[in-house]
Amino acid sequence: DAKTTQPPSMDCAEGRAANLPCNHSTISGNEYVYWYRQIHSQGPQYIIHGLKNNETNEMASLIITEDRKSSTLILPHATLRDTAVYYCIVRVGGGGSNYKLTFGKGTLLTVNP
Amino acid sequence: NAGVTQTPKFRILKIGQSMTLQCAQDMNHNYMYWYRQDPGMGLKLIYYSVGAGITDKGEVPNGYNVSRSTTEDFPLRLELAAPSQTSVYFCASRTQGALNTEAFFGQGTRLTVV
Repeated sequence: DAKTTQPPSMDCAEGRAANLPCNHSTISGNEYVYWYRQIHSQGPQYIIHGLKNNETNEMASLIITEDRKSSTLILPHATLRDTAVYYCIVRVGGGGSNYKLTFGKGTLLTVNP
Repeated sequence: NAGVTQTPKFRILKIGQSMTLQCAQDMNHNYMYWYRQDPGMGLKLIYYSVGAGITDKGEVPNGYNVSRSTTEDFPLRLELAAPSQTSVYFCASRTQGALNTEAFFGQGTRLTVV
């Protein structure tokens, strides 16, 4: 699976949009971009994933650049409860051993009042 | 739906003791996984299973064993606990059906070996 690079930490004001970048310059054509988050000491929680088109769900939006070498997770109106470590993961689709989700250190997003 | 349930939530073991971390899911997921997370670090895959009776090693399997006799349960066994196994353990599951589906994680078991 392709390696990802994320900033170690970011701050965001409550109510503002949080934009979390992820660099995956070695991504292959069949690799998807996934985002998970981990609120303090809890199990990771799935947020969103995409291949090449931008995606949106009730939690967030995912913007993937045209060359697919980077992406941005957008939390449109961050709240204090969004304070968490956000993981960007790139992996090939499918199950079994292809599902070795490799978690790096992620980005600690702190939402300030 | 309870999702993925891990027990116990906390445990203190003495060096050399053994224990089993329990993981159960009620979503009829084929794929199940065990991860460990050391302080300030990401998650590392210990073992995974693609269905009942089938298990395989992940990145850090040494010192652990697993079994998968049913779809619902995926216990993780520590035979001779060592201080290096002090960590938070997460179990996860995922459905087989679609090509790309999300993983559901349990709330973790915090293990301390002294």
